[in-house]
Amino acid sequence: AQSVTQLGSHVSVSEGALVLLRCNYSSSVPPYLFWYVQYPNQGLQLLLKYTSAATLVKGINGFEAEFKKSETSFHLTKPSAHMRDAAEYFCAVSDRSGIGNEKLTFGTGTRLTIIP
Amino acid sequence: DTGVSQDPRHKITKRGQNVTFRCDPISEHNRLYWYRQTLGQGPEFLTYFQNEAQLEKSRLLSDRFSAERPKGSFSTLEIQRTEQGDSAMYLCASSSPGQGNYGYTFGSGTRLTVV
Repeated sequence: AQSVTQLGSHVSVSEGALVLLRCNYSSSVPPYLFWYVQYPNQGLQLLLKYTSAATLVKGINGFEAEFKKSETSFHLTKPSAHMRDAAEYFCAVSDRSGIGNEKLTFGTGTRLTIIP
Repeated sequence: DTGVSQDPRHKITKRGQNVTFRCDPISEHNRLYWYRQTLGQGPEFLTYFQNEAQLEKSRLLSDRFSAERPKGSFSTLEIQRTEQGDSAMYLCASSSPGQGNYGYTFGSGTRLTVV
C-alpha cells in the first residue's frame, strides 16, 4: 500500500521568503509523485510530477521538488513566495505497476499562508 | 479543450434524499475518476472508468453510491438516501491513455451539503 505524509498542516511564510512544504512517501514499488494546488472552492491543479526522469522536477508558478529515494521525500520549494501562492497544497503518490493502478493517494494537505 | 466540467457546483439536500452529480471529461480522455474530499482532508479515491467500463471501486463506495459512464463519455455519480456524513466535495478527473500516471485534469468539484 502506498501513502504520503505531509508534515505541517499549516505553514506561514513572509512574502519573498522561501517556501518549503514537506512530503514523505511510503511505497512498495517505485512511485510516481505529484504536487497539486487547490484554491478555495476549486478543483486541484497539477503543479509538478516525478515520473522517474530527473530527480529535480520543475513545475508551474516557480515551484520545484526534489525526489530523494534515500529519504523517501519529495519536498516542494519555491525561492520567493508571492501572495498568490496562498492555497492548499497536496502531495500524492501513484504506483507504476500498470493499468488499474493509476489512482492517486493524497496526503492531508498543507495550507500555505503568505504574510505581507 | 474546455477542461473537466462538473454540475452542479453546489448542492444542498435533506437527509434521506437522492442526489445525482454529473461530470463531463475532456473529450479525448478515456479514463474518468471520482474522488471525495471531506473538510480538512485530501481527496480519497472512489472509482474509475476506462471508457464505459467501471474498473475499480473503493470500499468507500457503499451500496448507496452508484456511478455510471454510459457510452464512455460523461459520468454520473448518484447517492441514495443521503446521510450527513456524505457532505463533502466530490471531484471528477480525467486522463488520456497512458497519461494516468502522469497527472490527471481535475474538475472544480461539486460541493454537497446534507442537512
